[in-house]
Amino acid sequence: NAGVTQTPKFRILKIGQSMTLQCTQDMNHNYMYWYRQDPGMGLKLIYYSVGAGITDKGEVPNGYNVSRSTTEDFPLRLELAAPSQTSVYFCASSYPDREGVSPLHFGNGTRLTVT
Amino acid sequence: GDSVTQMEGPVTLSEEAFLTINCTYTATGYPSLFWYVQYPGEGLQLLLKATKADDKGSNKGFEATYRKETTSFHLEKGSVQVSDSAVYFCALRYSGGSNYKLTFGKGTLLTVNP
Repeated sequence: NAGVTQTPKFRILKIGQSMTLQCTQDMNHNYMYWYRQDPGMGLKLIYYSVGAGITDKGEVPNGYNVSRSTTEDFPLRLELAAPSQTSVYFCASSYPDREGVSPLHFGNGTRLTVT
Repeated sequence: GDSVTQMEGPVTLSEEAFLTINCTYTATGYPSLFWYVQYPGEGLQLLLKATKADDKGSNKGFEATYRKETTSFHLEKGSVQVSDSAVYFCALRYSGGSNYKLTFGKGTLLTVNP
């Protein structure tokens, strides 16, 4: 069982370049999320999706875009990379859960450096 | 707004020592509380959870009790192992309409030496 798979594992971008971080899950989870993790700062929610065709902004959405055309895939797009986007990016998924108790399943992350 | 505050790290212990990582929260309602663990080079994974006041979550020898009166959810383990070396995150999450959002603390790095 693969769980949540993120690609690539590492990437170096120049300022102004674009890229897409890929995320796919095989658990048939409706909810998917993108977080960024900065040293000593915990995780911040960038975007989330509650199902195919539905996405919404989290705490720090500026500079990013997402799409959710299938249940399995939730790519994150950086259009004009900036040094402030240097971070580790985590994709996660979970079951829909009115009680808010189902665990999030995380991928292993993408380490992005913008220079 | 809601927030989670964890004790500053890093924490360095010898094997078999007792571990406490403090976590307190500020919330407008009654959230569920979680501890997640991140091993080197990996994503986060759920360690334990508690969904209401006085609940005790436990897993792999770790325990935490949901204390509403002190708004705390401290993580404890009686005897740590080298394999427990990781970053530990406390988090809260609501039921109902905002249940997508998991609010994390900044994380506490634990290193256990043999």
